[in-house]
Amino acid sequence: KAGVTQTPRYLIKTRGQQVTLSCSPISGHRSVSWYQQTPGQGLQFLFEYFSETQRNKGNFPGRFSGRQFSNSRSEMNVSTLELGDSALYLCASSSITGGVETQYFGPGTRLLVL
Amino acid sequence: GENVEQHPSTLSVQEGDSAVIKCTYSDSASNYFPWYKQELGKRPQLIIDIRSNVGEKKDQRIAVTLNKTAKHFSLHITETQPEDSAVYFCAASEGGSQGNLIFGKGTKLSVKP
Repeated sequence: KAGVTQTPRYLIKTRGQQVTLSCSPISGHRSVSWYQQTPGQGLQFLFEYFSETQRNKGNFPGRFSGRQFSNSRSEMNVSTLELGDSALYLCASSSITGGVETQYFGPGTRLLVL
Repeated sequence: GENVEQHPSTLSVQEGDSAVIKCTYSDSASNYFPWYKQELGKRPQLIIDIRSNVGEKKDQRIAVTLNKTAKHFSLHITETQPEDSAVYFCAASEGGSQGNLIFGKGTKLSVKP
């Protein structure tokens, strides 16, 4: 099976702009989680979607939002970008096998806000 | 909510030695504890995981132990090799939800030949 894919891989934006990132999960996986990775804060959970519904949400402001489509592909949107939003954004898809849900990460989208 | 502490932040060992990384968590409802390895510029990759109904799990040179009472879990790498050099992250599920992982800050492991 193909792995988790994310587009675009790199992105440069300026403060105040908005951005949309896309994640295609492994075929058959219905859960998609998003994480922000920065040198200072490490890996932080943004939100999780399952069957087009947000199932969990991390501690991020409302400028960060997401959605999931019927084919399980997911997008996350960040509005009114701030310098501190510069980070690697990782999505992970998962499925439950034998009662265990295992997350597999995509390559990430590196966002630079100038 | 869940809080995960990871130690040490850096670890340097000689090739062939063992490496141990320790994590503690705060939420007694957490039931899933994966470990990820992230090489420079690459995505985190799952190397081993353990559920709360198991005390120890081993996969070749890698083992993980879990102490639910003390709320800590550890990664053990034996016979380390230079290719084991990477940043290792522990994580714990937020409550019973495995789709929401709370990560430790990471341990940079350097294996010297």
